[in-house]
Amino acid sequence: EVQLVESGGGVVRPGGSLRLSCVASGFTFDDHGMNWVRQAPGKGLEWVAGISWNGGSTGYADSVKGRFTISRDNAKNSLYLQMNNLRIEDTAFFHCVRDISWGGFDIWGQGTMVTVSS
Amino acid sequence: QSALTQPASVSESPGQSITISCTGTSSDVGGYNYVSWYQHHPGKAPKLMIYDVSKRPSGVSNRFSGSKSGNTASLTISGLQAEDEGDYYCSSYTSGNTVIFGGGTKLSVL
Repeated sequence: EVQLVESGGGVVRPGGSLRLSCVASGFTFDDHGMNWVRQAPGKGLEWVAGISWNGGSTGYADSVKGRFTISRDNAKNSLYLQMNNLRIEDTAFFHCVRDISWGGFDIWGQGTMVTVSS
Repeated sequence: QSALTQPASVSESPGQSITISCTGTSSDVGGYNYVSWYQHHPGKAPKLMIYDVSKRPSGVSNRFSGSKSGNTASLTISGLQAEDEGDYYCSSYTSGNTVIFGGGTKLSVL
């Protein structure tokens, strides 16, 4: 079964850090670009960051650029998101998603919740 | 990076057809054939319905179709069914190697 499972979410103070992880199974991980997409409570979907199949190319939303870093370890079938200097507005469900095309995300994890609160 | 523009809500009767629009700019929707559409039911992960403007992933009903004209993309759902109710989001690849979503459209099947 094709599956993405996220972990690492939690409650953190403003200015704090968290590292999200995503483990892939059921498909050849390094055949695909991977991304993080988030949804704040009551809000729409927001693309956060993406990384190419070999990690050679990355992209970030303006809202997280300079604070978040996406990376991957193909040997471990894993995707990561290092989040620093977290803000209250970063509170959201974070989904790990697989690329089949530029912005075509065909497999979604169930998500991990990040709450930034003082 | 402003969100793509979608109508907040649309509604139609079962069996009818409906079209949801998604308007961007020449830097995103108009500049690339990389528009996707997602169906989202509360509590579930979003589901890819259309990618690359008009391609359907395996398993998606052919009642769903996509198109694009200039800076506006469209999702058409024919033969509306109750299970089609939900939120629909468009997305587009943009210059600068980023992806942008629309604000979402709530579809009601009356």
